[in-house]
Amino acid sequence: GALVYQYPRRTICKSGTSMRMECQAVGFQATSVAWYRQSPQKTFELIALSTVNSAIKYEQNFTQEKFPISHPNLSFSSMTVLNAYLEDRGLYLCGASGAETLYFGSGTRLTVL
Amino acid sequence: GDQVEQSPSALSLHEGTGSALRCNFTTTMRAVQWFQQNSRGSLINLFYLASGTKENGRLKSTFNSKESYSTLHIRDAQLEDSGTYFCAAESNNRIFFGDGTQLVVKP
Repeated sequence: GALVYQYPRRTICKSGTSMRMECQAVGFQATSVAWYRQSPQKTFELIALSTVNSAIKYEQNFTQEKFPISHPNLSFSSMTVLNAYLEDRGLYLCGASGAETLYFGSGTRLTVL
Repeated sequence: GDQVEQSPSALSLHEGTGSALRCNFTTTMRAVQWFQQNSRGSLINLFYLASGTKENGRLKSTFNSKESYSTLHIRDAQLEDSGTYFCAAESNNRIFFGDGTQLVVKP
């Protein structure tokens, strides 16, 4: 069946360092991958949407300089949180969609010390 | 979110009972995904529907694109069903989230 593996599930990094999270689509072609962050109010904020063969589109308040994303093929995407600080803590989620599928990863919980 | 209205925002069930969660959409959605965020914060994919109804154990979900809604039915609720349930719907390559339903199952 189709699914999305997201890893790591949990990660801790020191303030000012960077961490990378990855999503692997299995069983379908992920033509689009969206990255989200769960707000303290539990809602999901879109960080950016990446569509293969198109430019990555970042939402307001999120930049490529802070959250660089790679989407090199139809099965893989990664996002890095650069220079993480306390306000970057939380759950990050990837959602991958293809022709007839939409799956979310399990999330990466980032703790910043 | 604006495009997705999820209800109820909170729900309390006794073990063994059931209820339904609902997402109404203000625009035509291509597909909907339901997932659960458990008490540890982990996300579990439940259903993906482009149309119709799917059932898995004590859970059943329906998506009616024409009438712009989706439901998630839980029957015979168990303690481990507690958590926050989200619907996420896709339209024009964008995903819109409901605000979640916080479910508490009590003994």
